[in-house]
Amino acid sequence: AQKVTQAQTEISVVEKEDVTLDCVYETRDTTYYLFWYKQPPSGELVFLIRRNSFDEQNEISGRYSWNFQKSTSSFNFTITASQVVDSAVYFCALSGWPGANNLFFGTGTRLTVIP
Amino acid sequence: GAVVSQHPSRVICKSGTSVKIECRSLDFQATTMFWYRQFPKQSLMLMATSNEGSKATYEQGVEKDKFLINHASLTLSTLTVTSAHPEDSSFYICSARELAGAETQYFGPGTRLLVL
Repeated sequence: AQKVTQAQTEISVVEKEDVTLDCVYETRDTTYYLFWYKQPPSGELVFLIRRNSFDEQNEISGRYSWNFQKSTSSFNFTITASQVVDSAVYFCALSGWPGANNLFFGTGTRLTVIP
Repeated sequence: GAVVSQHPSRVICKSGTSVKIECRSLDFQATTMFWYRQFPKQSLMLMATSNEGSKATYEQGVEKDKFLINHASLTLSTLTVTSAHPEDSSFYICSARELAGAETQYFGPGTRLLVL
C-alpha cells in the first residue's frame, strides 16, 4: 500500500529562518515518484518538484532544497531564509511507476512565516 | 507551460440543483484528467480519473451517478455535481497529465462549491 506521512501539521517560523518540512513514505513499488506541491491561501496547487526513485541526488532550486533518502524513506523539503510569501500548505505526494494514476498525498504541513 | 484552468472558481447554489465545473488544459493536450475533492484543512482525495474518449474510473465510495464526469476532448473535462446537497460543499480541484505514463500532474486553481 502507498502512504505518505507528514507528521508536522503546522509550523511557524520568523522570516529569514530556515525551515524543514518532513515527508516519510511507504510503498511496495521498486520504482516510484515523489512530489512536493505548494498550496497558497488562494487554493491552487503549485508543482514544486518531482523526484524518481532512481535518483537520490539532492536538489537545490534557489531557496528550496530537497533531501531524498531511500534508506529512511524520506523526502524532506527545506526552505532557507524563509519569506512571508512562503506561507502556504505544502503537500508531499507519491505515485507509482509511470502510468499509475494514483497520486497519494500526505495530509499537508501548514507553514506560517511571521514577518 | 502546463497551465490548467477551472471554471467557475466559486459557485453557490441551492440544494437540489446541478453544478457543472470545467477543467481545461490551456497549453497542452491532456490524455488523462483527475478530479479531487478537498475538505477544509484536509488533504486531497482522488474522486475519479478520466481518459479522453472513455468512461471515467471512480474511486471507491464515489457515486458515479452523483458526480458525472465527461472528458470529451484532449483539453476539456467536466465534473457535474447532480442534485447537489449541503454535504457536497467542498473544494474541487482538477489536474491534468500530458501523456500516458507522464509523471507529473498539473493542477487547476480549484472550484469552491457551497450548497445552501
